[in-house]
This record gives sequence, structure tokens and C-alpha cells, in this order.
Amino acid sequence: GDSVTQMEGPVTLSEEAFLTINCTYTATGYPSLFWYVQYPGEGLQLLLKATKADDKGSNKGFEATYRKETTSFHLEKGSVQVSDSAVYFCALSERSGAGSYQLTFGKGTKLSVIP
Amino acid sequence: KAGVTQTPRYLIKTRGQQVTLSCSPISGHRSVSWYQQTPGQGLQFLFEYFSETQRNKGNFPGRFSGRQFSNSRSEMNVSTLELGDSALYLCASSPRGAGQGIDEQYFGPGTRLTVT
Repeated sequence: GDSVTQMEGPVTLSEEAFLTINCTYTATGYPSLFWYVQYPGEGLQLLLKATKADDKGSNKGFEATYRKETTSFHLEKGSVQVSDSAVYFCALSERSGAGSYQLTFGKGTKLSVIP
Repeated sequence: KAGVTQTPRYLIKTRGQQVTLSCSPISGHRSVSWYQQTPGQGLQFLFEYFSETQRNKGNFPGRFSGRQFSNSRSEMNVSTLELGDSALYLCASSPRGAGQGIDEQYFGPGTRLTVT
């Protein structure tokens, strides 16, 4: 079945450092790829998405490129802020035979940014 | 537009009891999915409803069930609660129907269920 593997955390960075969170996936077809972020005590927020190979998703300074050849969707940000401290989830979505889509998530990477 | 709302936000139940959680999707969204989040297993898909029909189900025992109403609101029920059912239960709604491309999902804040 489908699966998502993301780098183990926690990750601790100083403010303005460069961020990379690695994500690779296994899927039978051509999934859409997502990054979600979860702040303490809250649900998941969609951060960015990509629907096909070579697509680049971007939002709030975060970027990720859908790499079909390496089955990867790494999250990057050039300069992190304290407010970026959260748990980040990589996910894929594939359509089932019933026309349904379900998200398959990675385990999450906790990011802490210190001033 | 109001986001996905879930009630209650926190719940404490005893082993063997049953519980019902409620989810109101974003207005106009017809698809509602439920996920369980635990520290050990992470985020796992429970089921998805569209137009009052269950379209997809994850690998959970029959004690977990759900339904959707004509106004797209959804409920999930867990019967005969076990300690391992303690989790954050997240509801997500989507604007897409069948065969309409990618399915962005928008999550509610979750219901934190504690089973003692």
C-alpha cells in the first residue's frame, strides 16, 4: 500500500536558519502530495500542495517540489522564524476505486526554532 | 467562511462506554473524512462520507462507525471503548466530489478523547 516516510525529529534550529525536512513516498499510481502543519493544541493546516511531477508548491516562504524520479517531496524554507515552530506532516492522496481520496501521512517532524 | 467545527473538544470516558463525536464541515463541502491521531500510530484514516454514503473505510474494527446527514454534518461513534482508543480524532472536509481532481482536505481542531 501507499506510504510516506519523513525524517525523524525533533529538529531544532536557530532563527533565520535554513530548513529542510525530507519526505519520500511509495504509491501505486500518481498521487497528489501535501505538507500539513500542526500547531500545539490545534488541528492540521494545509501548508502547500503539488499535484503532478515537477510541480512546486509554495506558501509562507515554504517550498516543496514533486520529484517523481526520486519519489520525494522535501520541504524547505530559507529563513525560519520562531513562529514556524510546529509539527510538519508530509502526506499523499490517491483516488480509490470508489472515487474517494484518503490522506496517507508520514509520522511528522517536530520543528523547534529558538531565538 | 467558517472552518470545520468539532464538538466536543475534550471528552473523558470509561472503558466499555460508547461515545459520539460530531463534525460540521465547511459550508458547501460534501465530503467528510475522519482520522485518528495517536503518538504511537500517528495519523490514520478512519472513513470518508460523501452525500450520506460511506465511500471509503480504513483498517479499524467495527466498533468504529460513522454517518453523515443530509446537511453534510457527520458523526462518528465508538462503542465498547478501550484504553487504546484514547486519541485526537480529527475531522476534515473537502469541496470535491467524485471524479473532480485532487481532494484538498481542511481539518477541524479535533476532539481529544481520553478513555480511563
